[in-house]
Amino acid sequence: EPEVTQTPSHQVTQMGQEVILRCVPISNHLYFYWYRQILGQKVEFLVSFYNNEISEKSEIFDDQFSVERPDGSNFTLKIRSTKLEDSAMYFCASRAGTSGPSLFGPGTRLTVL
Amino acid sequence: SQQGEEDPQALSIQEGENATMNCSYKTSINNLQWYRQNSGRGLVHLILIRSNEREKHSGRLRVTLDTSKKSSSLLITASRAADTASYFCATDPDDYKLSFGAGTTVTVRA
Repeated sequence: EPEVTQTPSHQVTQMGQEVILRCVPISNHLYFYWYRQILGQKVEFLVSFYNNEISEKSEIFDDQFSVERPDGSNFTLKIRSTKLEDSAMYFCASRAGTSGPSLFGPGTRLTVL
Repeated sequence: SQQGEEDPQALSIQEGENATMNCSYKTSINNLQWYRQNSGRGLVHLILIRSNEREKHSGRLRVTLDTSKKSSSLLITASRAADTASYFCATDPDDYKLSFGAGTTVTVRA
């Protein structure tokens, strides 16, 4: 069964550094998402991406965040200058259509020191 | 705005018993999805129920949806130790995102 994959599984970085989190969505899916989950808290929506552009973003998704689909398979989340409060599990998800389920990857645990 | 909110926050049951958890939401939805998360791991999709459906089954899972009360329930029958996890409901108030609740932590005792 096709799965969403994410790399790396764990990323440790210093405050102020840039990180890129990578995702490979399911190949025939059209909608792509990033969510995050701070330890012990709810899963929060960050951004959705459709037709090569952002369709919606949350208040969390400020100027330090960006997303890109550089080729036909990868979907990346870049955090330009990481802060301590960016430490969280970041989940990528994809969806075939608006009526189907959102399928999540295993997550990238980001630790900012 | 906050959407899915699960109840109870935590549930402890004996293996073989049924576990029921509830989800309430505030605005109209297209569908509602339930996910499982084992400690520190990814979100596993369990079941999607559309706004025009009232009940759905998948193996030992039964989900109901009452749009008039803006609520849903997830029933796990004949629970097993492997069902120990957090369970989340997620609603889609629009086509572009899911809104998650805080989850119900289920512990199944052997």
